[in-house]
This record gives sequence, C-alpha cells and structure tokens, in this order.
Amino acid sequence: EVHLVESGGGLVQPGGSLRLSCVASGITFSSHWMHWVRQAPGKGLMWVSKINSDGSSTDYADSVKGRFTISRDNAKNTLFLQMNSLRVEDTAVYYCTRALGTLDDWGQGALVTVSS
Amino acid sequence: EIVLTQSPGTLSLSPGERATLSCRASQSVSSTYFAWFQQKPGQAPRLLIYSASRRPTGIPDRFSGSGSGTDFTLTISRLEPEDFAVYYCQQYGTSPWTFGQGTKVEVK
Repeated sequence: EVHLVESGGGLVQPGGSLRLSCVASGITFSSHWMHWVRQAPGKGLMWVSKINSDGSSTDYADSVKGRFTISRDNAKNTLFLQMNSLRVEDTAVYYCTRALGTLDDWGQGALVTVSS
Repeated sequence: EIVLTQSPGTLSLSPGERATLSCRASQSVSSTYFAWFQQKPGQAPRLLIYSASRRPTGIPDRFSGSGSGTDFTLTISRLEPEDFAVYYCQQYGTSPWTFGQGTKVEVK
C-alpha cells in the first residue's frame, strides 16, 4: 500500500520561509515523478510543482516560480518543497502526490498558514 | 493555460439517482490526459477516472467517464450515500496541469 506522509507545515509570517517534506513508502520512490498540489481554505485544487524521477527536471506554476523549489532525496524516499518569500495567498493545505499518469496517490496534506 | 469550467456548481440529488457532471476546456485536451477526482470533507482527493474513461483498481463501476476534445462528462449511475462529495476535473497533457473549480454533489 502506498503511503505519502507530509510534514513541516505551520504558521509563518509574510516574507518568511518553510520547507515541506514528504516521506514515501510502499513504492519504488526513485521510479516516479512526484508533484505538489495545494488547496486554499474552502477553495479548489491548484497544481504547484513537479519533479522527475532522478531530480533533473522540474516545473512550477507561475504563481510560485522563483520562490518555491522542489527537490528529492531518493536514498531517503523523501520529496521536498522549499518555500521562500511566502505570501498570505500561499496559505493552503499542501499535498504530496505520486504520478503514474496523473496524480494517482495523495498524502494527507500539510497546512501552511501565512499570516502576521 | 488551459481553463477547465465545471457545471453545475452544485448538484442536488437523492441516493439512487443518476448524476451527470460536465467539464468544458478552453482548448482541446487529449482524452489520454484527462482525469476526474473525488474529494470528501477533510480528506485528500482520490483519483476516480484517468484517460477520460478508465477507472483505477478499486473504483466502483457506477463511476464512468466520457468525452473528447473540449467536453468531458463524469456519470455516477446510481448515487450511493458515500458518493456525496466534491468532484474535480483535471487535464494533465499541458503544463501547467489545471483543475476545474469543482462540482458539489449534495443530498437533496
């Protein structure tokens, strides 16, 4: 069974930084593209970023480009999202997802709150 | 960016009824790269349909997807109590991957 467990969420002031982690189990982590998707409170889903299996290729939504960095450590089955220059509008639950084709498996999410 | 527009915003139905949800894309999407997700309150989304019409293992066959080009449909043949939730369409053929705004299926 696939398990994706996010951590690292919390309350941060505007302009601050936070790093999310996602530990995967039940899969061959190093074989899969991985993504982050977020959901603002009471709102819909928004794709944030993706990374290929060996970490050599990444992509970002325009709204986070230049501020967020996705990375992975295949030896530790862990996905990361480094979030800098955080804005109030980045407040959301951030989901780690595994892609076979689309977003096939999801973690339970980590809440990030950006507020002064 | 491909914009996906779902209709209706809310669907009020009774258990046992048929639900038909629509998603229209702002430009053509390959059916190979079109999906539907279900989300219940406090839970992560769950993949229901991929490649427009294919069900992952474990998804009941009362869920079916169809469509091509710019118009796609999710049908729930007979609503079960656990099917009342929010449903999102998604395209994953063109970056950025995008979602519709969601359709809430609620108990009438």
